[in-house]
Amino acid sequence: GENVEQHPSTLSVQEGDSAVIKCTYSDSASNYFPWYKQELGKRPQLIIDIRSNVGEKKDQRIAVTLNKTAKHFSLHITETQPEDSAVYFCAARNMNRDDKIIFGKGTRLHILP
Amino acid sequence: NAGVTQTPKFQVLKTGQSMTLQCAQDMNHNSMYWYRQDPGMGLRLIYYSASEGTTDKGEVPNGYNVSRLNKREFSLRLESAAPSQTSVYFCASSEYPTGGSNTEAFFGQGTRLTVV
Repeated sequence: GENVEQHPSTLSVQEGDSAVIKCTYSDSASNYFPWYKQELGKRPQLIIDIRSNVGEKKDQRIAVTLNKTAKHFSLHITETQPEDSAVYFCAARNMNRDDKIIFGKGTRLHILP
Repeated sequence: NAGVTQTPKFQVLKTGQSMTLQCAQDMNHNSMYWYRQDPGMGLRLIYYSASEGTTDKGEVPNGYNVSRLNKREFSLRLESAAPSQTSVYFCASSEYPTGGSNTEAFFGQGTRLTVV
């Protein structure tokens, strides 16, 4: 079955700098890759996603890139702000088969003042 | 529009007791999921249901059973709770994606379960 690896587990960046979180997946049939943000004590919420027919997607300060050949995708946050501090999860989903959504173990992002 | 609603929010069980976690969604979604979240382990899929009447095992199904009662409701049952099942449990739902449909998965607020 699908396996999603996420790195790093913890990331600290200075406010205003950029943060990059990387994920790899094992099932080449996966075709949808969402990213979720979870603030302390709250539920995960979608921040951006990408389908396998697209190489890059951007939404203001957040972007996601996908390399299908290498089976990895990354989240990029530019001009980081204190409110970006949270746990971020990547996931992989096969929308053509069983529709399982498998998550990575998460990255705790700290924005340092 | 309530989205995904889980009950209860908190529960303490003794080892060997049983309980059912309830989940309901009002978005007419086909797919529903149960995850557990433990520190450093991310969100691990317990069971999922791609449509009413079907359920499938996820990554960590042992010790759990599920029922897709109808399109709205997906319950998770612990028949004989163990301390290793202490965790935060999240239910989620999503439209079964076709074409350009919205593929976002929406989560409930979570159930914090402690087994002593």
